[in-house]
Amino acid sequence: DAKTTQPPSMDCAEGRAANLPCNHSTISGNEYVYWYRQIHSQGPQYIIHGLKNNETNEMASLIITEDRKSSTLILPHATLRDTAVYYCIVRFKPSGSARQLTFGSGTQLTVLP
Amino acid sequence: DAGITQSPRYKITETGRQVTLMCHQTWSHSYMFWYRQDLGHGLRLIYYSAAADITDKGEVPDGYVVSRSKTENFPLTLESATRSQTSVYFCASSEQGGNSNSPLHFGNGTRLTVT
Repeated sequence: DAKTTQPPSMDCAEGRAANLPCNHSTISGNEYVYWYRQIHSQGPQYIIHGLKNNETNEMASLIITEDRKSSTLILPHATLRDTAVYYCIVRFKPSGSARQLTFGSGTQLTVLP
Repeated sequence: DAGITQSPRYKITETGRQVTLMCHQTWSHSYMFWYRQDLGHGLRLIYYSAAADITDKGEVPDGYVVSRSKTENFPLTLESATRSQTSVYFCASSEQGGNSNSPLHFGNGTRLTVT
């Protein structure tokens, strides 16, 4: 499996951009990069995913390096409600006809007032 | 409202009791999953289902039973609860499987305590 490395924790000032890095140096050509977050006491929430190109949606932007060995999730204007654990995932495991996602330890992002 | 809902939100049961956790989704997603989350272990897959009447084991299936008689429901049963099954349980669904990259959508979890 492609493994991911994320810093265990980060702080960000409210209103500033939060840039969350993820290393995935063993990613293979057909593996997507997914980002989820988990706010305390809630289920994981899908944020964004991408393969090669940078992606943007209403929640965040995803920047993937050209060699695809790392990526950055950008929350353009962090708010206190963005405080959560952010998971970077680059492996889904086809098993028969099904698929899974393997969650690592993630980054605890704390947005400070 | 559309979405994925889990019930109960909290459950306390005794060792040896049978307990069923419910999961219901309104999207008609084909795939459904059960994860457990424990400190130090992250999210671990228990069982998953590709469609009604099709289920398969995940990483930690022992002690659990699932069924999927209808697309929208995927109950998880602990046949004889043990203290090691004290955890937070999350149900998830996704539109497609196989080579699809559709994301998973999670419920808000059931916090189960086995005494």
